[in-house]
Amino acid sequence: SQKIEQNSEALNIQEGKTATLTCNYTNYSPAYLQWYRQDPGRGPVFLLLIRENEKEKRKERLKVTFDTTLKQSLFHITASQPADSATYLCALAFSGTYKYIFGTGTRLKVLA
Amino acid sequence: KAGVTQTPRYLIKTRGQQVTLSCSPISGHRSVSWYQQTPGQGLQFLFEYFSETQRNKGNFPGRFSGRQFSNSRSEMNVSTLELGDSALYLCASSLAGVVTDTQYFGPGTRLTVL
Repeated sequence: SQKIEQNSEALNIQEGKTATLTCNYTNYSPAYLQWYRQDPGRGPVFLLLIRENEKEKRKERLKVTFDTTLKQSLFHITASQPADSATYLCALAFSGTYKYIFGTGTRLKVLA
Repeated sequence: KAGVTQTPRYLIKTRGQQVTLSCSPISGHRSVSWYQQTPGQGLQFLFEYFSETQRNKGNFPGRFSGRQFSNSRSEMNVSTLELGDSALYLCASSLAGVVTDTQYFGPGTRLTVL
């Protein structure tokens, strides 16, 4: 079955640095990959969607890459701020389905 | 525009009982999906409703069921509760329920089974 791996250990970085989070998957490559942010006690908030034929997508300080050869997506937050501290989830979907498979998320802590 | 609302926010039940959770999607959204979130398994898809019909289903036992009303509001029911059903239950709404739609999540219902 399809598996998604996100670093379960928390990532601590200094304010102003670039945070890079990894999402690895096994088996088949998805047609779509999404990244979400989740704060404690709240539902996930959609950040970015990238399609399999797109290598990179940007939105303000956020950048997502999608490498179907490596079966990996990287999520970058540049000029990170303490307010970026949250858990970040990646989710995969395949063509012809409406079912996203979520990773367990990586907790990011940006230190002031 | 109001966001996705879920009621109740917190619930405590005992094993063997049943529970009904409610979700009101964003106005105009016709698709509602339900997820279970636990620390060990993460976010797992339960099912998705579109125009009162269940279109997609995850790998959960039949104790988990749902329905959608004509106004797109949705309910999820869990019967014969087990300790392992303790989780955060999230619903998400989207316009048309296609995979490229943005899903908007509610705050969730925290269910504790004793």
